Order: sequence, then structure tokens, then C-alpha cells
Amino acid sequence: NAGVTQTPKFQVLKTGQSMTLQCAQDMNHNSMYWYRQDPGMGLRLIYYSASEGTTDKGEVPNGYNVSRLNKREFSLRLESAAPSQTSVYFCASSEAFRHYGYTFGSGTRLTVV
Amino acid sequence: EDQVTQSPEALRLQEGESSSLNCSYTVSGLRGLFWYRQDPGKGPEFLFTLYSAGEEKEKERLKATLTKKESFLHITAPKPEDSATYLCAVQGDNFNKFYFGSGTKLNVKP
Repeated sequence: NAGVTQTPKFQVLKTGQSMTLQCAQDMNHNSMYWYRQDPGMGLRLIYYSASEGTTDKGEVPNGYNVSRLNKREFSLRLESAAPSQTSVYFCASSEAFRHYGYTFGSGTRLTVV
Repeated sequence: EDQVTQSPEALRLQEGESSSLNCSYTVSGLRGLFWYRQDPGKGPEFLFTLYSAGEEKEKERLKATLTKKESFLHITAPKPEDSATYLCAVQGDNFNKFYFGSGTKLNVKP
């Protein structure tokens, strides 16, 4: 069982470059999430998708876009990377309407120089 | 404003020395309080969900409790493998939004 798979694991971007972080889950979960984790600030929600075909903004959505490609896949795009987006990004999934806990991916460590 | 505060930021224990981690919260309409464990370079791993004041959950050396304003994660006779960062999160009125604390980094020395 793979759970939640994120790619890539590491990435270095130059300011202004774009990239897409990929996430896929194989647990048939309806809800998927993108978080960023910064030292001393905890995990902050960027965007989420409660079900296939829907997406909503979280706490810190500026500078990001998302696509729920199908039930399994939820991607996060940085259109024009900025140094402030240097962070560790986590994708997570959960069952809708009953929370047994998120299942998180192993993260993408992104550095913008 | 919904928020979660965890203390202490870091905790060093000797193997076998029991202690508690604190998670205080303010949230509109608490649906649940969650504890996660995070090892370096990995994603958080779900431990417990607590739904109402007075509830307790246990798993091996860990016991989580909940009051109306805070939760405690009690660690009894910890071992070095319990070393990790422990995260607390709350779920309020918006089902899909969870508010995470910044975590307590636990280091258990043999």
C-alpha cells in the first residue's frame, strides 16, 4: 500500500520559475489537501479539495493554484516562484465527513533562490 | 480566531522519565482535536482523535486527554524511539479546515 505519493521529493527553483507538485493517493479518499510547513509556524493549509471536481482556498492560497485531476490526483502549481515560497509541502488525504486522521505524503522540500 | 498553541517547544527527557506535552486551543465549534507524530524528513503520522471534554485515548506509552480548553499528551516511561515532533491540530466549524500547532520536539536520551 503506497498511501499518499508526492513528487518530487526535492526541488530548487529560481525566482520567477514555475513548477507543479504532484500528489496521488490510492486509498479511495474523497478529500485531499495541500499544506506547507515552515519552522515555528506549524502546518498551514494552502488549498483543499473536498471531493472530485471541487477545490477551495485555505489559509495561505496566494501564489498557488491547484487542480483535482481525478479522485486520485491533486496537484499544486507555483506560477512564478518567490523566495517566500521556500518551504516543505505536504499533500494529505482523508475520508470525507468522518475524520480518522489525515494520511500525509512524505513531503516536497522546495527552495526558491 | 481559531488557533492552537503547543508547549513546550522542545523537551529533553531521560529514558523512563515520564512527562506531558500541552496543546491549548481556541476554536469555534470544536469537532475534534488530533495528535500526530512527525519524524525528521517525513510526513506527520496520525495518533489520536478526541471529540469531547473528558475523553481519553491510549496507545502504547502515549495517553491523550481533552478538556474544554486544552489537551495533554502524556508519555509514560518513554524510550529513545519516542523521539519525534508531536503535533496537535483542531477541527472547528469548517469541516475541511484544521489548525495545527507548531509542535513539541521531544528528545529521549538513553
